[in-house]
Amino acid sequence: AQRVTQPEKLLSVFKGAPVELKCNYSYSGSPELFWYVQYSRQRLQLLLRHISRESIKGFTADLNKGETSFHLKKPFAQEEDSAMYYCALSFPSYNFNKFYFGSGTKLNVKP
Amino acid sequence: SQTIHQWPATLVQPVGSPLSLECTVEGTSNPNLYWYRQAAGRGLQLLFYSVGIGQISSEVPQNLSASRPQDRQFILSSKKLLLSDSGFYLCAWRWGGMGTGELFFGEGSRLTVL
Repeated sequence: AQRVTQPEKLLSVFKGAPVELKCNYSYSGSPELFWYVQYSRQRLQLLLRHISRESIKGFTADLNKGETSFHLKKPFAQEEDSAMYYCALSFPSYNFNKFYFGSGTKLNVKP
Repeated sequence: SQTIHQWPATLVQPVGSPLSLECTVEGTSNPNLYWYRQAAGRGLQLLFYSVGIGQISSEVPQNLSASRPQDRQFILSSKKLLLSDSGFYLCAWRWGGMGTGELFFGEGSRLTVL
């Protein structure tokens, strides 16, 4: 079952333009939602998680339970934001918390 | 502080040969451990996860297996590799118990099966 959907494989914007990377999930309970980022030649790392409700590198994401979405936004994109972004979902299953990722969106910020 | 190591970083193997990728975590005890495969356009596919020594759960049927012989050691194996096993494999850990919070990833192992 597809639990995390990222509809855009590639998103290209110009520097200074707003960015929104879409993420929808399917889970009826109260999951944890995350955004991970992978810069070129670096390991996958956490960008932000919904329970922190913080802004990291200018990015924010709001959990919308009604729309089951967790879109990532930044008002003014920078070239250094170019990377692969993954939305992830974690929920309890028996004695363990499973962790699933979407297919990823490649963000390309053009100068 | 906690660290996670994976090796080898790159591996080229012929079809039908065995595989062993190793992952170790330092600085924590009883972590939850995960193996993912990262494929272009398909994101990260959860392969195996483990909540303790000898406890392995598989997400998808495949030609691979996993083992956890020690608390902080997680091994991905195959007896006979297939071409379709080529990919980028990531090991990750999370705090134990119910394993809430973020996943921490290793640097990955790129496997090419020829």
